[in-house]
Amino acid sequence: AQKVTQAQTEISVVEKEDVTLDCVYETRDTTYYLFWYKQPPSGELVFLIRRNSFDEQNEISGRYSWNFQKSTSSFNFTITASQVVDSAVYFCALSEAGSNKLTFGGGTRVLVKP
Amino acid sequence: DAGVTQSPTHLIKTRGQQVTLRCSPKSGHDTVSWYQQALGQGPQFIFQYYEEEERQRGNFPDRFSGHQFPNYSSELNVNALLLGDSALYLCASSSRGGSYNEQFFGPGTRLTVL
Repeated sequence: AQKVTQAQTEISVVEKEDVTLDCVYETRDTTYYLFWYKQPPSGELVFLIRRNSFDEQNEISGRYSWNFQKSTSSFNFTITASQVVDSAVYFCALSEAGSNKLTFGGGTRVLVKP
Repeated sequence: DAGVTQSPTHLIKTRGQQVTLRCSPKSGHDTVSWYQQALGQGPQFIFQYYEEEERQRGNFPDRFSGHQFPNYSSELNVNALLLGDSALYLCASSSRGGSYNEQFFGPGTRLTVL
């Protein structure tokens, strides 16, 4: 069975600080995909990034970066120079190859104060 | 290009009643998945429809059923509503075939059961 754990329930930072969100996952599959979604107060889940299990290269996309480590089953996400608009709940999710079913973590609420 | 749309936005029902929620996928998408998100939790996968058939199902009772129409739109039906069914119901669409594509989520329907 798949499982995603986000140990941080809430993080509060001051604008321009960096924020790192932790995600640990469990799966028996050798091929899988990892995601980060953002859920603002409006409720709609917004896709941020995707990574497949064969690509451990860490990248940066604008103010977003991620650290994928298969050895520790972790997929952490960093927002650099946070802004008030980044305030939202962030979800880490896992999907098996060949399946569009997403298994979500419990979410981390990020509050960015001006 | 219209994204995923859901109706209604909000719904209030009483215990024992039945409810139908509707979803129209993003243009070009043929697969629809439904998720239940209880307050303060991550979304939970209910089921997925493709080619008008239920292809995958999460750990939800038979009171939850669905349908997909030839135009790829979908309905989620919940019978004999319980207080615990109160949640945000999210619809996500994606496209089968080829490499995996991220799912696009609608704004959700917030169901309150009294």
